[in-house]
Amino acid sequence: TQLLEQSPQFLSIQEGENLTVYCNSSSVFSSLQWYRQEPGEGPVLLVTVVTGGEVKKLKRLTFQFGDARKDSSLHITAAQPGDTGLYLCAGGSNYQLIWGAGTKLIIKP
Amino acid sequence: DVKVTQSSRYLVKRTGEKVFLECVQDMDHENMFWYRQDPGLGLRLIYFSYDVKMKEKGDIPEGYSVSREKKERFSLILESASTNQTSMYLCASRPPGKGDTQYFGPGTRLTVL
Repeated sequence: TQLLEQSPQFLSIQEGENLTVYCNSSSVFSSLQWYRQEPGEGPVLLVTVVTGGEVKKLKRLTFQFGDARKDSSLHITAAQPGDTGLYLCAGGSNYQLIWGAGTKLIIKP
Repeated sequence: DVKVTQSSRYLVKRTGEKVFLECVQDMDHENMFWYRQDPGLGLRLIYFSYDVKMKEKGDIPEGYSVSREKKERFSLILESASTNQTSMYLCASRPPGKGDTQYFGPGTRLTVL
């Protein structure tokens, strides 16, 4: 069974701080996706990484796919209250997605 | 823009009732999925469909069934709702040839009393 371990499960920090969320597995994935979900809404795709070692930036968010395509990280620089939400990682496997349990992020003003 | 809609945002049902959750996508996607989401457990796949009238069990199909009579519509059915089916239900669709990306509806929060 493929599993994606996501950490931390919960993070509450002050505005302006930096943070990193991790997604780890013993399995190799064809792609790794990061979604953000706001309360009462479905997840919305932030980014997809497909190549080992790939780094993608989305404004203050930096996503990295591990060299072996088994892990990924999301780094947020100078977090803002608008970054608050549930962050989910998902690994692509046989055209399905294996999901992490999510990181609930709260940014306090 | 891809649009996935779900028939209800909130639903309250009684134990033993038959419950229908409907999902419609407007982008001619072949693949559609039903998940349930519970705190600390992430998204768990209930059923998916890769074509009209085709369905495959996901990780937790027990107590659920699905119907895909038209390409744009994928229905989730709870034959006899139970309290442990209280959850957030998310529908998603995936375009062909676009890798693994899935597009989600807003979700239906179902409470079974």
